[in-house]
Amino acid sequence: EDQVTQSPEALRLQEGESSSLNCSYTVSGLRGLFWYRQDPGKGPEFLFTLYSAGEEKEKERLKATLTKKESFLHITAPKPEDSATYLCAASGGSYIPTFGRGTSHIVHP
Amino acid sequence: GAGVSQSPSNKVTEKGKDVELRCDPISGHTALYWYRQRLGQGLEFLIYFQGNSAPDKSGLPSDRFSAERTGESVSTLTIQRTQQEDSAVYLCASSLVNRGVVFFGPGTRLTVL
Repeated sequence: EDQVTQSPEALRLQEGESSSLNCSYTVSGLRGLFWYRQDPGKGPEFLFTLYSAGEEKEKERLKATLTKKESFLHITAPKPEDSATYLCAASGGSYIPTFGRGTSHIVHP
Repeated sequence: GAGVSQSPSNKVTEKGKDVELRCDPISGHTALYWYRQRLGQGLEFLIYFQGNSAPDKSGLPSDRFSAERTGESVSTLTIQRTQQEDSAVYLCASSLVNRGVVFFGPGTRLTVL
């Protein structure tokens, strides 16, 4: 059974204080590792897809990395608008993404 | 449309009533997913449609839940005899191909009184 675990559950930071969010996965035959951002009352918004160990992707203050067992989302010098819940998902042979419970990331000005 | 759309955005119903939730995927997307998100919880997979293949219903929590899809277009999720534990946000998503990016709609918030 595919499993995705995210840690920590919550982070409260000051503006400019960098963070790393962890996503550990157990998936048979990884086909894709996905990161999403979810704001309150909205659907998840796609950020990145990673396909193989060693792959990295960046977008503004966000950088996602992937190993054979986990992925990290690094947020450098975050701003209050980076406050959201960040979701990680992995898909394997079934092509159905399995989601973690998310990390609540709150940035205070 | 430009993205996945869902209707209604909010639905309040009484225990025991049936409800229908609608999803319009991104045009041309062959794969369609339904997920449920309870308050403070992660996304729970419900059902997956891919082209003309038989749907994967392995996530449906009970026989009160069913879903249909018309070709590669609209999908409806039906919950019969609703219970209070069905209260959640129901999210629909679609993707172009199996390995493609999965895009989500805004969700339908269902409240069962």
